[in-house]
Amino acid sequence: EAGVAQSPRYKIIEKRQSVAFWCNPISGHATLYWYQQILGQGPKLLIQFQNNGVVDDSQLPKDRFSAERLKGVDSTLKIQPAKLEDSAVYLCASSLGPSIADTQYFGPGTRLTVL
Amino acid sequence: KNEVEQSPQNLTAQEGEFITINCSYSVGISALHWLQQHPGGGIVSLFMLSSGKKKHGRLIATINIQEKHSSLHITASHPRDSAVYICAPSSNYKLTFGKGTLLTVNP
Repeated sequence: EAGVAQSPRYKIIEKRQSVAFWCNPISGHATLYWYQQILGQGPKLLIQFQNNGVVDDSQLPKDRFSAERLKGVDSTLKIQPAKLEDSAVYLCASSLGPSIADTQYFGPGTRLTVL
Repeated sequence: KNEVEQSPQNLTAQEGEFITINCSYSVGISALHWLQQHPGGGIVSLFMLSSGKKKHGRLIATINIQEKHSSLHITASHPRDSAVYICAPSSNYKLTFGKGTLLTVNP
């Protein structure tokens, strides 16, 4: 079974530039998560999708971050414009459903460096 | 105040030693997850437990809901166990992640 795919794996941009990350979840997984993990900290949930609807985006900085999952499969996360403090690993995860009993499967992450 | 506290933050052990990583949390939860993160980012779920104890191979996880405390134990540790171990209590269908414990097992 293929895992969660993310691209790119690494990205370096200058502040005020835009960047987009892509995630392809495990086939059949209805729930998709985007996390931000700053160095030395645990992941922080940015947004959770159930199919193509948003379940929780309470910690998403909506002035600069946006995410979509138009067809309920792939998802993109965008930052525009980027700030220095956005330097982090962006992790995508998917699960069969939103229950806490459903195991989340994580992708390898995209490491973003903002200069 | 952090909702999830892990200790120790860093742990170095010799191969074969018994390892214990602790997690304390302040919020009411319905379950708690332990995850493993290797260098390069990949996170793997190890356990989900809501009471008592679970065992998988050399890994044992325990939880005391009343004391809001969980422990992850590794018996007969091996260098391949070197990773960051993250505790993540869950409530309201959301995980709150600890900062993780960096474990290094030397041969």
